[in-house]
Formats: sequence, C-alpha cells, structure tokens
Amino acid sequence: GQNIDQPTEMTATEGAIVQINCTYQTSGFNGLFWYQQHAGEAPTFLSYNVLDGLEEKGRFSSFLSRSKGYSYLLLKELQMKDSASYLCAVIGAGNNRKLIWGLGTSLAVNP
Amino acid sequence: EAQVTQNPRYLITVTGKKLTVTCSQNMNHEYMSWYRQDPGLGLRQIYYSMNVEVTDKGDVPEGYKVSRKEKRNFPLILESPSPNQTSLYFCASSLGGENTEAFFGQGTRLTVV
Repeated sequence: GQNIDQPTEMTATEGAIVQINCTYQTSGFNGLFWYQQHAGEAPTFLSYNVLDGLEEKGRFSSFLSRSKGYSYLLLKELQMKDSASYLCAVIGAGNNRKLIWGLGTSLAVNP
Repeated sequence: EAQVTQNPRYLITVTGKKLTVTCSQNMNHEYMSWYRQDPGLGLRQIYYSMNVEVTDKGDVPEGYKVSRKEKRNFPLILESPSPNQTSLYFCASSLGGENTEAFFGQGTRLTVV
C-alpha cells in the first residue's frame, strides 16, 4: 500500500529550531510537497523537492532522500505564528500522478 | 490578486436538502480539485478536473457531483446531503496537475443535521 508517516504533534520554544520528519512508502515517486495549515484555514505551499538534498527558503528548509523515502522540514528562529499543522504530500506514479497526503504534524510554539 | 474563492464559508443544512458550494479561480489554472478534511483522516480528494468538461473521481466521490463548464469555476454539488458529509471542504487549483503547487480556497465548513 501507499503510506506517509509524520509525527502527530510536536512542541518547540520560540526562537529555537525544529525538524519535522516525513517518511513515505509509495508506488513510484515524482516529488514531495510541504504545506502549512493554520487551524481552520487553507493549506499554503511551503516547498517542493524532487531531487535529493536540501532546499532553503528563508527560515524554512526542506530535505529529501529518495533512497530512504524520507524528508524533513526544518524551521529556524521559530515564531509564535509558526504554530500550525505541517502537511507532507507525495506525488506517486501513474498517469495522473496522484498526490498522497500525510495526516499532518501539529506544531505548537511556546513562548 | 491571484486567488481561489469558495462560497459559502459556513453552511448548516438539513439532511436531504440539495446544496452547491461554489469555487472560482482567477489564475487560468487547468487543474482543479475538491477535498474534504476530517480529524484523523487528513485531506481526501473528492473529485478533480484536468480541464473544461473533464472531471474524474478522487478517493471519496460517493454522494458528490461536480461540473466544469468553464475553466474558472468548479462547483461541488451535494444532491442529498447526509450527516456523514459534515466536514471542512477545500477547493484547490494548480497550473499543471497534482505535481505543481496547489492554491487552496478559504474552506467551507459544512454541517448537515
């Protein structure tokens, strides 16, 4: 079957660094997304990885290892507004390249 | 401003009363889709459309209908809503399919009593 695993909840302190992991088992791989979703709001795009390595974008970075079926999202200099759910989504194989969503990691940033 | 607009934001309705949730995007995107989001189940795709007059079932299509008569609009229709369709619904659009960044509408919180 196809599966994406993320921790359900994480807690971190304002100003710190946090790493949110995502592991996946899918039939084929054509890229991985990270989205941020504040409670009751729409998901918003953070990053897209299709090749191995680290992609940095301001305070947020995303890493991918295709051989290990593993990605992480790194958030630096945490701010209170980073309290949100972080969704990992993998594009599988097939003609329409379906997107498979993880259940999300709820991050609470404390002062 | 580039955006996906859903209406209504909140809706409480009774079992069996037909309703439509509208979705419109102004980015000229080919691909549009509908999701429902439930606690513990995450985002699940209901229907998607790769272009005008082309729609297909997602993972949970039962009880829903869609249409794509124009590129910008992709309404979701519940012909006979039931309480198990109480959920948070999102419309999304993207330029080139599911392997491109998705833009989501603000969400519609539907309660069926």
